[in-house]
Amino acid sequence: AQKITQTQPGMFVQEKEAVTLDCTYDTSDQSYGLFWYKQPSSGEMIFLIYQGSYDEQNATEGRYSLNFQKARKSANLVISASQLGDSAMYFCAMRPYTGTASKLTFGTGTRLQVTL
Amino acid sequence: DTAVSQTPKYLVTQMGNDKSIKCEQNLGHDTMYWYKQDSKKFLKIMFSYNNKELIINETVPNRFSPKSPDKAHLNLHINSLELGDSAVYFCASSQGLVSTNYGYTFGSGTRLTVV
Repeated sequence: AQKITQTQPGMFVQEKEAVTLDCTYDTSDQSYGLFWYKQPSSGEMIFLIYQGSYDEQNATEGRYSLNFQKARKSANLVISASQLGDSAMYFCAMRPYTGTASKLTFGTGTRLQVTL
Repeated sequence: DTAVSQTPKYLVTQMGNDKSIKCEQNLGHDTMYWYKQDSKKFLKIMFSYNNKELIINETVPNRFSPKSPDKAHLNLHINSLELGDSAVYFCASSQGLVSTNYGYTFGSGTRLTVV
């Protein structure tokens, strides 16, 4: 079974600063994908970034980057130049590529508050 | 235009009632899911269908019954609603059983309140 751990229930960051949201995972699978989702107060789940376990380069999508350290089983999300609109819940998730019943498992989330 | 649409967005009902939530995706995806998000924001998978076939059935009370008439639709029927069923229910879809990118596409959620 997979387990995703997000140890920061809440984080504050000042506007225009960078922030790192931590995520560690536990799996015995060799092939898997790591994902980050954003959930603003309006409630929808927004896909942000993806990292494959065999990808050698860290994923980047605009202001989002994923700091992937496979040996440490960590997949931290880095948001650069924070904006007020980044205030939201952020979820780390993992999906093993094991076949028919592969499922996306989420961490407990980190609530990010961007301040002026 | 909406990729994964759920109806209704809000549902308030009394204990003991039966209710349904509908989900439709126009992405051409093969696999659809139901997730439950509790009051602490924890997201947990409930069911998954691939091409109308049930492939994931987590430990969920049998009062919950999913139905997939075709691969673009996945509905959730709940019998004898209880207070503890109050949550946000998300429908999601993905391409293939093992899509390698972009995870799942989620609907906007249905907030169910049982009173």
